[in-house]
Amino acid sequence: DTGVSQNPRHKITKRGQNVTFRCDPISEHNRLYWYRQTLGQGPEFLTYFQNEAQLEKSRLLSDRFSAERPKGSFSTLEIQRTEQGDSAMYLCASSRLLGGNTEAFFGQGTRLTVV
Amino acid sequence: QKEVEQDPGPLSVPEGAIVSLNCTYSNSAFQYFMWYRQYSRKGPELLMYTYSSGNKEDGRFTAQVDKSSKYISLFIRDSQPSDSATYLCAMSARVQRFGAGTRLTVKP
Repeated sequence: DTGVSQNPRHKITKRGQNVTFRCDPISEHNRLYWYRQTLGQGPEFLTYFQNEAQLEKSRLLSDRFSAERPKGSFSTLEIQRTEQGDSAMYLCASSRLLGGNTEAFFGQGTRLTVV
Repeated sequence: QKEVEQDPGPLSVPEGAIVSLNCTYSNSAFQYFMWYRQYSRKGPELLMYTYSSGNKEDGRFTAQVDKSSKYISLFIRDSQPSDSATYLCAMSARVQRFGAGTRLTVKP
């Protein structure tokens, strides 16, 4: 499968614990995006990388959230001291640099439940 | 005011009907306009994208963009039960911003 891969698919954690999600983009894609989606809403932008550089972060991304993309390949999103409001689907997408980000391909997401 | 507004529905139509889905936006910097389809508990799947104003057709799907009105549409002809899903509009200048999604059900 050469699509965007996200792991784990589901994560249940207790409030206050730290969690980390991984995204493996399509191999030739320079750009990688993280979004958060709650029930009945569209994806909300969190942050994006061009190669290994993190170019933009949403104000939604509090200081408890950190994302990395070492070596411009896979990316991780860590949430520290999780809160119940963090429960959501976390989506990763990737696209080529050329042509803008029109053809962004999404992974299946990681569904986080904070209890 | 949200950057992208989309009526969440739900929208229910009989099989074979023409479906019209719409979004409005406020950011004049948006240049690319996309439509995604999302099934329950899955990631969004890109259906179509359009650059600037105009129409684009792909099979039963037609996307229209009217930048002067800041209004985009997706039309689905001869709708099928397999088209039942949530349809998300998205727009970008640099990063894609999404509407809330319209939940569509096509009844046999």
